[in-house]
Amino acid sequence: SAVISQKPSRDICQRGTSLTIQCQVDSQVTMMFWYRQQPGQSLTLIATANQGSEATYESGFVIDKFPISRPNLTFSTLTVSNMSPEDSSIYLCSVAGTGSTKNIQYFGAGTRLSVL
Amino acid sequence: AQTVTQSQPEMSVQEAETVTLSCTYDTSENNYYLFWYKQPPSRQMILVIRQEAYKQQNATENRFSVNFQKAAKSFSLKISDSQLGDTAMYFCAFSFSGNTPLVFGKGTRLSVIA
Repeated sequence: SAVISQKPSRDICQRGTSLTIQCQVDSQVTMMFWYRQQPGQSLTLIATANQGSEATYESGFVIDKFPISRPNLTFSTLTVSNMSPEDSSIYLCSVAGTGSTKNIQYFGAGTRLSVL
Repeated sequence: AQTVTQSQPEMSVQEAETVTLSCTYDTSENNYYLFWYKQPPSRQMILVIRQEAYKQQNATENRFSVNFQKAAKSFSLKISDSQLGDTAMYFCAFSFSGNTPLVFGKGTRLSVIA
């Protein structure tokens, strides 16, 4: 399996500000995924982060709003920029396991973001 | 594009009883993986069970089992001897591999009643 440390666990932010969410994995992984879960909704993929290349964003998500860094094989950050109340969501990162669990994705504990 | 449909927004079950959550999916590919994840109020996504499409045998994990019908593109989850701790949102999900993103259904909110 994979153990993911995601920080912060929650934050309350003012509109117009930015928040950076961190995910640290206990093993080297090729891909990291960032998802958004709006209140009462399912998970929607924001982007896929591959180390050493630009993140690939899904339709409806843009790099200027959700810049992602992937400096090495164990770490990634997602920034939510110029926040508005509509950005209030849970943000989760995930990675695949290794060995026999390589086709399973494991999740961080999530970041609950509230924008006032 | 792949889609996952969960047609039961909410369900409830008495403690110690059995409940089945439904999931259907759509793909034109032959090799893929299906999952059930549990999300309690703590919001942590927890893997409940997985099924490889190339395996005909239904996966089982303790009180949790699936009924995988590949031709019908159906993947239901059965929870036996329901416990209060099973109360959570349950998401059905699809992927081609660990290095491809998951596609999620809308979820089923399960309440276990004492």
